[in-house]
Amino acid sequence: GAVVSQHPSRVICKSGTSVKIECRSLDFQATTMFWYRQFPKQSLMLMATSNEGSKATYEQGVEKDKFLINHASLTLSTLTVTSAHPEDSSFYICSASLAEYNEQFFGPGTRLTVL
Amino acid sequence: GQNIDQPTEMTATEGAIVQINCTYQTSGFNGLFWYQQHAGEAPTFLSYNVLDGLEEKGRFSSFLSRSKGYSYLLLKELQMKDSASYLCAVMDSNYQLIWGAGTKLIIKP
Repeated sequence: GAVVSQHPSRVICKSGTSVKIECRSLDFQATTMFWYRQFPKQSLMLMATSNEGSKATYEQGVEKDKFLINHASLTLSTLTVTSAHPEDSSFYICSASLAEYNEQFFGPGTRLTVL
Repeated sequence: GQNIDQPTEMTATEGAIVQINCTYQTSGFNGLFWYQQHAGEAPTFLSYNVLDGLEEKGRFSSFLSRSKGYSYLLLKELQMKDSASYLCAVMDSNYQLIWGAGTKLIIKP
């Protein structure tokens, strides 16, 4: 099956620093990658959709200057949380698909804690 | 607006059968997905329905009625490892995935 990896799985950082999270599709080329955020006991919230080689499409209310997304290749997308604050602490999950309307394969998630 | 409804929490007994319902109101329909999510982990794909009827896959089955905006996930021969949240998601006319809040399933011995 399709495997998606995420790195790191956990990260703790100080307020004001930036954190980069990598999402890789290991055995397929992902035309589209999605970034989600999930707070405890809540459902997934789509942050942005990125297509390889083009700018990400951000959901309403998500600051594009704070959450920088780069999808430079068909197997790698990165999410950088800039100037992180405690309220950014959350579970960040990426998913990848062959096309926007195809089944999404999820990475294992990254738990971010901002002190 | 777009809306996905599913029960917040359900409890069932090991070895029994449980049905988790999902109703939806979306702008267009391009399929309904069920995902399983264990605590602290990412979701894993369970099933996809785009036509009416029942899709069976081992102990898990998923049903869809597009006219009623309704789906259910049926889990048979429940095992303790089935304790998880089950997420219903609908792909709308823009191929955007609309997520339900999830149903937390608690299995008791």
